[in-house]
Amino acid sequence: QVQLQESGPGLVKPSETLSLTCTVSGGSVSSGSYYWSWIRQPPGKGLEWIGYIYYSGSTNYNPSLKSRVTISVDTSKNQFSLKLSSVTAADTAVYYCAREEGSSSENWFDPWGQGTLVTVSS
Amino acid sequence: DIQMTQSPSSLSASVGDRVTITCRASQSISSYLNWYQQKPGKAPKLLIYAASSLQSGVPSRFSGSGSGTDFTLTISSLQPEDFATYYCQQSYSTPYFFGQGTRLEIK
Repeated sequence: QVQLQESGPGLVKPSETLSLTCTVSGGSVSSGSYYWSWIRQPPGKGLEWIGYIYYSGSTNYNPSLKSRVTISVDTSKNQFSLKLSSVTAADTAVYYCAREEGSSSENWFDPWGQGTLVTVSS
Repeated sequence: DIQMTQSPSSLSASVGDRVTITCRASQSISSYLNWYQQKPGKAPKLLIYAASSLQSGVPSRFSGSGSGTDFTLTISSLQPEDFATYYCQQSYSTPYFFGQGTRLEIK
């Protein structure tokens, strides 16, 4: 079955750019049936959707983060990536990648990666 | 934006109890509502999609209902492995929002 795995630095300095990659195995990011999302969860808090990308490269971002977020896809490596610029301590969170399945508005996130904690600190 | 509000925020219950968690949307979302279970240190797991469809492999003691703005997740007979935090999520429109979570604890 499809599995997702996040990777990237666990510590980022304030004002710098957070960069994470999600590697997909057991399936293809080039499948036209899915969107590929990033979701984050600050320690002890709830879940926040960051945005998604389609294999064609089209994206949709949460307006609350849109000015700082870039999501890209590399079909040759079966990966998609997240960049979040100008980070502050408020961006400290566990970052999850997830596959969005469904059609039209009937969509859901499944499966999820295991998550990776990114701490913003000098 | 469509905000989601869950109640209660926390709940204490015993093994074998029937438990209901409520999720309310700030405007109608038809049946575009999903439920997830999250255990400490783990990623969320999909339980219910499209308000009432049980994800493959999820025990039948879990069920979902509702449409419009009001939705419920019911666990018919709590098992020890069900103690976790539960989140609802609307997929009607982006940005997608999750509820704040309901922490289900052992009484």
